[in-house]
Amino acid sequence: DIQMTQSPSSLSASVGDRVTITCRASQNIATYVSWYQQKPGKAPNLLISAASSLQSGVPSRISGGGSGTDFTLTISSLHPEDFATYFCQETYSVPYTFGQGTKLEIK
Amino acid sequence: EVQLVESGGDLVRPGGSLRLSCAASGFSFTYHAMSWVRQAPGKGLEWVSGITAGGGGTFYADSVKGRFTISRDNSRNTLYLLMDSLRAEDTAIYYCVKGASWLIIPFDSWGQGTLVTVSS
Repeated sequence: DIQMTQSPSSLSASVGDRVTITCRASQNIATYVSWYQQKPGKAPNLLISAASSLQSGVPSRISGGGSGTDFTLTISSLHPEDFATYFCQETYSVPYTFGQGTKLEIK
Repeated sequence: EVQLVESGGDLVRPGGSLRLSCAASGFSFTYHAMSWVRQAPGKGLEWVSGITAGGGGTFYADSVKGRFTISRDNSRNTLYLLMDSLRAEDTAIYYCVKGASWLIIPFDSWGQGTLVTVSS
């Protein structure tokens, strides 16, 4: 199985900050990565597929990048509604492993 | 608007069985692969099982293989997960998730989840 190592596990930041979350795959997975946002008590929401393709309705301050084994999710300027938990997921092969999550908190 | 409404979650004893259902609406169910994803309390996400649009292909995580069975009824726009030989570690919120197309991934819509608790 492919392992996804996500870092950091938690992050404190302020409104207006730029933040980057990383995921490292245990093998080359090209651009087969998705990113999700989850708020407390809610289901996850798909933000990005194919490493960098922004889903409809997702603000352009959110972007994804990378290929091969190293991937990033960047929020260019944090808004209050961005404080949540973020998960990466490999979409290369079953069992479509998720990263452990990054909890983004207000400083 | 896509809607996925799960039901069937309950408190069940170890070794017991449970069937989850997911009623889908707002999209052409017949043309989309579907999956179940679970989340243990306070933990991360784990893909559990997936099924192709026509139902002919099914896939499972090793942790549930041989115990869980995914199925779908395209005439009723409903996805199912039959869970047998339940263990304490199966305790989680189970989400019904829609594939973006005939492919199982990515998961572009999620239900609100149904809680399964396995405890004596």
